[in-house]
Amino acid sequence: AQSVTQPDIHITVSEGASLELRCNYSYGATPYLFWYVQSPGQGLQLLLKYFSGDTLVQGIKGFEAEFKRSQSSFNLRKPSVHWSDAAEYFCAVGPTGANNLFFGTGTRLTVIP
Amino acid sequence: GAVVSQHPSRVICKSGTSVKIECRSLDFQATTMFWYRQFPKKSLMLMATSNEGSKATYEQGVEKDKFLINHASLTLSTLTVTSAHPEDSSFYICSAYAGTGFNQPQHFGDGTRLSIL
Repeated sequence: AQSVTQPDIHITVSEGASLELRCNYSYGATPYLFWYVQSPGQGLQLLLKYFSGDTLVQGIKGFEAEFKRSQSSFNLRKPSVHWSDAAEYFCAVGPTGANNLFFGTGTRLTVIP
Repeated sequence: GAVVSQHPSRVICKSGTSVKIECRSLDFQATTMFWYRQFPKKSLMLMATSNEGSKATYEQGVEKDKFLINHASLTLSTLTVTSAHPEDSSFYICSAYAGTGFNQPQHFGDGTRLSIL
């Protein structure tokens, strides 16, 4: 069965520091991969997605993610975090596409001045 | 583009009442809409998949008679929580999917905070 693991429940970084949020998935084939961000009391906003092709994907708000097949990972990165990036981040896997998503448990990001 | 509007954003009601939540795709036609439930500090749990003009497909463990879903048009799906009880209090989020294939993302509404007293 497919699963998505986000090992870090909560991460705290200083503003301006770099960020990496981890995501590992379990699936037989290469799934479709997504990162979403959720601000408190809000829905989810798509940051980026990977379907095929270049394994380094650029998203909105300066985020990028790299798909590593050998590690079954799709980690999210940002070179310099802004205070407004504080939110909950969800990795999602779609075995057959975006029409069937499995979400990780999320990583809460706190940004300190 | 790809805006999904969810209404109401927050609702508080007494136990035993029914509550309807609307999910609209404002600038695209959604062939499929999804309803999720999110518990505090937890991930999203898919409740059901709603296809326009057909019955919704419910996930295992979700009571279809309690959570009524109607997807009467390509831009509107509704979730009705019938005879709501305190344990139904949660954050409900809808998403809309425009694709006929696999390469369109889901677009999410801002969620509805449901509190049953």
